[in-house]
Amino acid sequence: EIVLTQSPGTLSLSPGERATLSCRASQSVRSSYLAWYQQKPGQAPRLLIYGASNRATGIPDRFSGSGSGTDFTLTISRLEPEDFALYYCQQYGSSTELTFGGGTKVEIK
Amino acid sequence: EVQLVQSGPEVKKPGESLKISCKGSGYRFTSYWIGWVRQMPGKGLEWMGIIYPSDSDTTYRPSFQGQVTISVDKSISTAYLQWRSLKASDTAMYYCVRPLTGDWYFDLWGRGTLVTVSS
Repeated sequence: EIVLTQSPGTLSLSPGERATLSCRASQSVRSSYLAWYQQKPGQAPRLLIYGASNRATGIPDRFSGSGSGTDFTLTISRLEPEDFALYYCQQYGSSTELTFGGGTKVEIK
Repeated sequence: EVQLVQSGPEVKKPGESLKISCKGSGYRFTSYWIGWVRQMPGKGLEWMGIIYPSDSDTTYRPSFQGQVTISVDKSISTAYLQWRSLKASDTAMYYCVRPLTGDWYFDLWGRGTLVTVSS
């Protein structure tokens, strides 16, 4: 099983600041098959990024993804009030065992 | 509207059986995989397994194999997640999910079904 480790666990920032979230895999993720999701309290997760760097439909361009192999990053260029939430990465390179990271909480400083 | 509509919250006792459902609408149900994701209280996301409604081809995460059963009734565009004997540790929110393509990232999520198992 590929273990995904997200860091930091919590990111305290102010609106307008840049957020950089990390997702590190225990082994190389095939073909950059990595996705990012946002989850707000009481809601289902929402797909933000797939294929490491492709924005899902309707996702603002302040969200961007990068990385390959074992190191991936989600960047939010300028935090809007609605961006304060939990973020999860997910690898889907292994079709028999998809895994999620433990999550990063982006909170208002 | 393309959506996954899940059944309502459940409160069960340990040892009881349960089957929760997820109905797909607004798209061709048999053409897309449907999976299940668990979220225990205050915890992260865990993929449980996935099924292809057209032929019921099913893949389980090894840790869930034998613990749950994923099935479909394509005549009513509905997927199911079933337990034969619930445990307190099955208390969680369960989401059904749909990948847009053959790659298993999930662009469509149900609102979740909260399952509470308590004596």
